[in-house]
Amino acid sequence: DTAVSQTPKYLVTQMGNDKSIKCEQNLGHDTMYWYKQDSKKFLKIMFSYNNKELIINETVPNRFSPKSPDKAHLNLHINSLELGDSAVYFCASSQGQGYTFGSGTRLTVV
Amino acid sequence: DQQVKQNSPSLSVQEGRISILNCDYTNSMFDYFLWYKKYPAEGPTFLISISSIKDKNEDGRFTVFLNKSAKHLSLHIVPSQPGDSAVYFCAASRGRDDKIIFGKGTRLHILP
Repeated sequence: DTAVSQTPKYLVTQMGNDKSIKCEQNLGHDTMYWYKQDSKKFLKIMFSYNNKELIINETVPNRFSPKSPDKAHLNLHINSLELGDSAVYFCASSQGQGYTFGSGTRLTVV
Repeated sequence: DQQVKQNSPSLSVQEGRISILNCDYTNSMFDYFLWYKKYPAEGPTFLISISSIKDKNEDGRFTVFLNKSAKHLSLHIVPSQPGDSAVYFCAASRGRDDKIIFGKGTRLHILP
């Protein structure tokens, strides 16, 4: 029973399209995150939500919009996709110490 | 601006020997440090952590050492096993509830 699940696992799309990545956690954690791992392998935080409220927004372009319908879900919507958005996106959740990560969504923009 | 640096992109160690992964940080406000392990096509998994009030934390084969004056931490794995082959991320935060900043990772290869 997966603790943090992301869908889809792979996403290939053309430039200019709009796409969404979904994330759900069944751990009862209050805080959820989106991280991006780019081609240089850096894992960088994008957003953090605590109990459906945005608490961290790390200077991410406006084309990225997180949505948290409830504390178990944090979805990521991306408008007007660009080549530079190609990366692996990881969702995570936490309740204090450490994060539990999902297995990642590999987004390829062509 | 890399606040957490892992300067070795990869490391190869013979099975049964000690693996030592190093990490440096620049932000003196960091007071909580973690190591994550990542297999291909999976998300990072938490391995071990240490708070700045300690200089060592041990969990089975894994030990993390923290040198605050040098802003340096290391992860020791002994004895190294084939299943330890993975990418190891060093990470840091200002307190347990703050966002975690990750290093670039070190790929560890355990040789038979």
